[in-house]
Amino acid sequence: GAVVSQHPSRVICKSGTSVKIECRSLDFQATTMFWYRQFPKKSLMLMATSNEGSKATYEQGVEKDKFLINHASLTLSTLTVTSAHPEDSSFYICSASRGLAGGVGEQFFGPGTRLTVL
Amino acid sequence: GQSLEQPSEVTAVEGAIVQINCTYQTSGFYGLSWYQQHDGGAPTFLSYNALDGLEETGRFSSFLSRSDSYGYLLLQELQMKDSASYFCAVRDRGGNTPLVFGKGTRLSVIA
Repeated sequence: GAVVSQHPSRVICKSGTSVKIECRSLDFQATTMFWYRQFPKKSLMLMATSNEGSKATYEQGVEKDKFLINHASLTLSTLTVTSAHPEDSSFYICSASRGLAGGVGEQFFGPGTRLTVL
Repeated sequence: GQSLEQPSEVTAVEGAIVQINCTYQTSGFYGLSWYQQHDGGAPTFLSYNALDGLEETGRFSSFLSRSDSYGYLLLQELQMKDSASYFCAVRDRGGNTPLVFGKGTRLSVIA
């Protein structure tokens, strides 16, 4: 299957700082990537859809000015958590889809980034 | 809006068979997927059903009934390593669109 990487895998930061998480599709071009957030023992909640070359589409209740998404190329999307607070501590997971030709219904997930804000 | 219902927890004995059900309500339907997630890890794809019927992949099978808005994941010959959370997910729009996940079923396999 396709490979999606995330960096960093784990980050601890102080409250008020900004954290950037990278998501890369390693062996295919992804015009669309998705960012999810998962709290302990909870489901994955879609935060936003990242589109290469255009603005991201945010889900209701997700602050676009707090969670900045940049999809600069067909293989890279970044999520920046600005002015992080302890309540932003969570597991952030990106995924990429190759589209219909790559297999409808299958998204390839990155390994996730564990963010802890002190 | 969309909603997916699945049991929160299931416990089964090693070597046994377990079925995890999923019912869904979505505005559109473009297939039901199942993902496995171990603690601290990312979701991994298990199966996908776009049409009614049973799809078999080794010890895992998945079933879909679109008329009933229902599907299930069947795990056979359970192993301890199968202890994980299992999520059903649907795509409610065509094309390059995100998945909507259920709340997950935590499966515990005991000896």
